Amino acid sequence: DQQVKQNSPSLSVQEGRISILNCDYTNSMFDYFLWYKKYPAEGPTFLISISSIKDKNEDGRFTVFLNKSAKHLSLHIVPSQPGDSAVYFCAAKGLFYGGSQGNLIFGKGTKLSVKP
Amino acid sequence: KAGVTQTPRYLIKTRGQQVTLSCSPISGHRSVSWYQQTPGQGLQFLFEYFSETQRNKGNFPGRFSGRQFSNSRSEMNVSTLELGDSALYLCASSLAAHYTGASGANVLTFGAGSRLTVL
Repeated sequence: DQQVKQNSPSLSVQEGRISILNCDYTNSMFDYFLWYKKYPAEGPTFLISISSIKDKNEDGRFTVFLNKSAKHLSLHIVPSQPGDSAVYFCAAKGLFYGGSQGNLIFGKGTKLSVKP
Repeated sequence: KAGVTQTPRYLIKTRGQQVTLSCSPISGHRSVSWYQQTPGQGLQFLFEYFSETQRNKGNFPGRFSGRQFSNSRSEMNVSTLELGDSALYLCASSLAAHYTGASGANVLTFGAGSRLTVL
């Protein structure tokens, strides 16, 4: 049972345009969400996060939007650059004590290709 | 500040063998988590260690085990290797343990991983 879903395995965008990566989750107990970026032969790198008390968090070219009623979040990259080409993982966490849901649960990732 | 260090980076084993992977967390980080990444499956949580105790475990068979030392360094072991164990094994550290709910537990810093190939 996949609790965090990234339904698009890949996305191709032109340099300078907006990249929108989507993520859906099923567990309403998740209340903290993160995006990680992964280049080949490297470990995932933390990109941006959002708490469930917010609906938007912005950091430079990266903005994450959270729609709790739809159990959906998205990562916007504007403008997209060739160096953004990587696999992006969405992750969710429940901020409650104990149990297996204290750990981060990741989606399968979306491979973003930004073409010059 | 040194990052999370994993050794070895690459290794090849045959079915039935066992393997031990090592992880040194960021200095001051006391929580170490292990994840398995396989093509098409994303990152699957294996277990988390904090203060030398396993705090949390994912849905993996008992062939997968780990431990943490007093200096927070961690090792994971896979016994009786199967072809399906071929994967990238990622270690991540954080300031606090996940189960505490503390903000320092939210962001994991990952190492580059150990790529295991089972033949």
